[in-house]
Amino acid sequence: DQQVKQNSPSLSVQEGRISILNCDYTNSMFDYFLWYKKYPAEGPTFLISISSIKDKNEDGRFTVFLNKSAKHLSLHIVPSQPGDSAVYFCAASARRSSGSARQLTFGSGTQLTVLP
Amino acid sequence: KAGVTQTPRYLIKTRGQQVTLSCSPISGHRSVSWYQQTPGQGLQFLFEYFSETQRNKGNFPGRFSGRQFSNSRSEMNVSTLELGDSALYLCASSLQGTSGSYNEQFFGPGTRLTVL
Repeated sequence: DQQVKQNSPSLSVQEGRISILNCDYTNSMFDYFLWYKKYPAEGPTFLISISSIKDKNEDGRFTVFLNKSAKHLSLHIVPSQPGDSAVYFCAASARRSSGSARQLTFGSGTQLTVLP
Repeated sequence: KAGVTQTPRYLIKTRGQQVTLSCSPISGHRSVSWYQQTPGQGLQFLFEYFSETQRNKGNFPGRFSGRQFSNSRSEMNVSTLELGDSALYLCASSLQGTSGSYNEQFFGPGTRLTVL
């Protein structure tokens, strides 16, 4: 049972345009969400995050939107650049019982290709 | 500060063999998590170690095991390898304590395991 879903395995966008990557989750206990970016032969690197008390977080060209009622989040990249071509993973975390550490639940990833 | 390192980077084994992968976290990080990445499945959480104790465990068979040493370095072992174990195995370290707040995970480049 996938608790975090990225239904689009791939997305192609023209350079300079907006890239929108989507992610859905089912676990209402998730209260922290992250996006990671992964290039081939490298580990994922943290991109941006959002707490469930917010509905938007912005960092330069990257903005993450959270819609808790729909259990949906999205990553907007504006403007898209060829160097943004990578696999993007959505991840979610839930507070656990006292003494336990949070863990991340990842989606399956979306391959973004930005065309020059 | 040096990042997370994983050795070896590539490994080829045959069915039935066992394998040990190593991960050195960022200096000062006491939490080490392991993930399996396969095409279409994203990153599947294996387990997490903190102060030499396994704190969290994912839904993997007992053939997958790990340990953490006093210097926070961690090893993952897979016994009786199966073809389906072919994957990229990623290690991530964090400061993550037990406060319940989220601490960013930093990933290593991974070990590409191929089982023939």
